[in-house]
Amino acid sequence: EDKVVQSPLSLVVHEGDTVTLNCSYEVTNFRSLLWYKQEKKAPTFLFMLTSSGIEKKSGRLSSILDKKELFSILNITATQTGDSAIYLCAVEAVKTGANNLFFGTGTRLTVIP
Amino acid sequence: KAGVTQTPRYLIKTRGQQVTLSCSPISGHRSVSWYQQTPGQGLQFLFEYFSETQRNKGNFPGRFSGRQFSNSRSEMNVSTLELGDSALYLCASSLAAGTAETQYFGPGTRLLVL
Repeated sequence: EDKVVQSPLSLVVHEGDTVTLNCSYEVTNFRSLLWYKQEKKAPTFLFMLTSSGIEKKSGRLSSILDKKELFSILNITATQTGDSAIYLCAVEAVKTGANNLFFGTGTRLTVIP
Repeated sequence: KAGVTQTPRYLIKTRGQQVTLSCSPISGHRSVSWYQQTPGQGLQFLFEYFSETQRNKGNFPGRFSGRQFSNSRSEMNVSTLELGDSALYLCASSLAAGTAETQYFGPGTRLLVL
């Protein structure tokens, strides 16, 4: 059964801290791994990773994929209150006619001033 | 450019009723996907439509159905509602099918089944 597991489920940190969010997966016919940020309702796209070991970076956020160990991490440095959100990891698979995008349940990050 | 819009934003129904949710994609986008989000299960894929044809379908019972119109607008229908159908229903649009990284999500419809 295809599944994506995120940890921790929730995290509370102080502004300025660095956090690491984890995503492990067991999905056949892997195509890509995606990270989203969900603040209120609509998730917004952060990164797409397809190759192992290549870090994607956007400002204070970065992410890397390990296709051998089947996991990815999302790092946020110098956290700000605006980083408070649910962070979703999803794995896209190559499947015809069936579900091809599997989400984890998310990590709820709370950044306190 | 207007974003993905979903109507209604909130809905309260009772068990056994049916409901229809609507999604208008970003102009020019031809692919629409639907997701159900609950605290316990997270975000789960329902189905994807492209050019009025269902391309992919998630593991949901037949009570969940959808369609897409020629203007790319999509509707999702849930019949014989159950308490467990209470969830946030999100739709997402993209230019082409099967391009998860270019999906734009709508604000969702919050459905409460009593």
